[in-house]
Amino acid sequence: DARVTQTPRDKVTEMGQEVTMRCQPILGHNTVFWYRQTMMQGLELLAYFRNRAPLDDSGMPKDRFSAEMPDATLATLKIQPSEPRDSAVYFCASGFDREFLNEQFFGPGTRLTVL
Amino acid sequence: DAKTTQPPSMDCAEGRAANLPCNHSTISGNEYVYWYRQIHSQGPQYIIHGLKNNETNEMASLIITEDRKSSTLILPHATLRDTAVYYCIVRVRGSSNTGKLIFGQGTTLQVKP
Repeated sequence: DARVTQTPRDKVTEMGQEVTMRCQPILGHNTVFWYRQTMMQGLELLAYFRNRAPLDDSGMPKDRFSAEMPDATLATLKIQPSEPRDSAVYFCASGFDREFLNEQFFGPGTRLTVL
Repeated sequence: DAKTTQPPSMDCAEGRAANLPCNHSTISGNEYVYWYRQIHSQGPQYIIHGLKNNETNEMASLIITEDRKSSTLILPHATLRDTAVYYCIVRVRGSSNTGKLIFGQGTTLQVKP
């Protein structure tokens, strides 16, 4: 049963530290999404990639966040420096987009706590 | 993408049908209706989508009104495992919008024994 995997599952860090979250999309999927979920804002799209190229990162704070896909099996989301307001659950999702993407498969999330 | 309106919460008895409404009165002709759900502490899960015809799959049925301004997701025999937040999302299909989902607040469905 193919699944999206995310590491780490939980991360506690101190303000100012760099945080790197990793996502392994389902093999064969060509689209990857990063979402953030907080109680106040709900689920927000941060960035997404198609065939490893960034398509939209307008939801991402540019000064401290960066998202990359070094290869087709790995997507990363970095925060540097981290701040307490970045505390949230970060979800990665992947899908296959031939003509149109209907279904996104979500990973279990990384729960980030910045003290 | 059109905005959606959902009730914040609903209850349903186990074994009964759960009918979750969604209003999307500003929907345009090329916008589809999607439903996802999120069980506590898990990532969202795709349920179903449709344009104007009613749709059914192994998880649920989607009924879209003729004017397409509202829809209803039906879980025919709700179980305790169906307790979750259900999101109704409307989005355009097009090459420049390859999958972007805008989540609202959703409906929290509580299935009770």
